[in-house]
Amino acid sequence: DAGITQSPRHKVTETGTPVTLRCHQTENHRYMYWYRQDPGHGLRLIHYSYGVKDTDKGEVSDGYSVSRSKTEDFLLTLESATSSQTSVYFCAISAGLAGGFNEQFFGPGTRLTVL
Amino acid sequence: GQQLNQSPQSMFIQEGEDVSMNCTSSSIFNTWLWYKQDPGEGPVLLIALYKAGELTSNGRLTAQFGITRKDSFLNISASIPSDVGIYFCAGQYKSSGAQKLVFGQGTRLTINP
Repeated sequence: DAGITQSPRHKVTETGTPVTLRCHQTENHRYMYWYRQDPGHGLRLIHYSYGVKDTDKGEVSDGYSVSRSKTEDFLLTLESATSSQTSVYFCAISAGLAGGFNEQFFGPGTRLTVL
Repeated sequence: GQQLNQSPQSMFIQEGEDVSMNCTSSSIFNTWLWYKQDPGEGPVLLIALYKAGELTSNGRLTAQFGITRKDSFLNISASIPSDVGIYFCAGQYKSSGAQKLVFGQGTRLTINP
């Protein structure tokens, strides 16, 4: 199994509070991704990183920010959580090698509930 | 944005039956992927398809990449209890230098023993 951990695994918070989710990898992979999973939508890309301090927006980035100060850590922050951000959040990593297919490996997920 | 339409959304079958699910897209993808998600875990890659028309097998799983590069199907033969889970199709594309995935809505498979 790819070495990916997410913390916390479960969190309940209140509307308006800030929340930070952490993804940690031990594979030294270049690319890291944050997705959210909601019924009827599959997984949707929030933000991704292609290196330390290099990040870009995904499909559903509004209300989220990210940071990557070290290769192994990718943080997702909800500055002011809303009920619409209740979801299961997955981190993924990919080696990003030039040419050919680069598999994305997924972490175990964080279930976030915003009351 | 890009969107994949996956069907059926759910399936209830008897152990030993064969399963078929498919995925269509309005966009062309160069790589199609099929993932399985067990309860409480992240998705795991089952099969990757790289060429239009390609038919690939992995044990009891068979998947095909459509000729138009806009569709794919996954078949599971002789289902067993551990096949229970959610199956996702995904199309891979490159944007801003990064390889990204767009997922279908998922097919939830339930098996009655």
